[in-house]
Amino acid sequence: AQSVTQLDSHVSVSEGTPVLLRCNYSSSYSPSLFWYVQHPNKGLQLLLKYTSAATLVKGINGFEAEFKKSETSFHLTKPSAHMSDAAEYFCVVSESNAGNMLTFGGGTRLMVKP
Amino acid sequence: NAGVMQNPRHLVRRRGQEARLRCSPMKGHSHVYWYRQLPEEGLKFMVYLQKENIIDESGMPKERFSAEFPKEGPSILRIQQVVRGDSAAYFCASSPQGLPEKLFFGSGTQLSVL
Repeated sequence: AQSVTQLDSHVSVSEGTPVLLRCNYSSSYSPSLFWYVQHPNKGLQLLLKYTSAATLVKGINGFEAEFKKSETSFHLTKPSAHMSDAAEYFCVVSESNAGNMLTFGGGTRLMVKP
Repeated sequence: NAGVMQNPRHLVRRRGQEARLRCSPMKGHSHVYWYRQLPEEGLKFMVYLQKENIIDESGMPKERFSAEFPKEGPSILRIQQVVRGDSAAYFCASSPQGLPEKLFFGSGTQLSVL
């Protein structure tokens, strides 16, 4: 069975400071992992995905995530936050033996202060 | 408080048949979103509905697809005259007041078109 835990429901940072959104997963097989962002009045947007290639994955808007199998983590980072990064972020896991069905984390609300 | 309920979990249709996917939002939630996940891809936004209103259908294919969220009962995603390319996992999410409130996702319906 697969599961995803986003360790923080809310994260608040100042503009220009680093962002860290934490995600731990549980998976019986080699998983695919995703980060999605949802801005106000928008649908979900794919930020980046890991599918068993390079463990450091670069996404859009300066975000990146590192797959660490030993820690079962897939944390999302960005060196410098912008006001436009304020949104809800979802970590998602998918297993091929689960028919590629997705399991979502509970989401993390990122707030960016001026 | 039950989560977002989607049924059926798996749906098999032959080409040309109709598919009806149901989504019961969480209690008290009046906003529903439908997403589609095609094989090897991430989630794609389809439509955003409030009770009895379609707010944003920019992600819906122009033909054969329709969605509704009546005053009473679940939200329905309807696909007429299905084709093999419609095979995908369809996810529903609900929120109490729309964005930026938190989204809660259902487990999805896997549609297979033979």
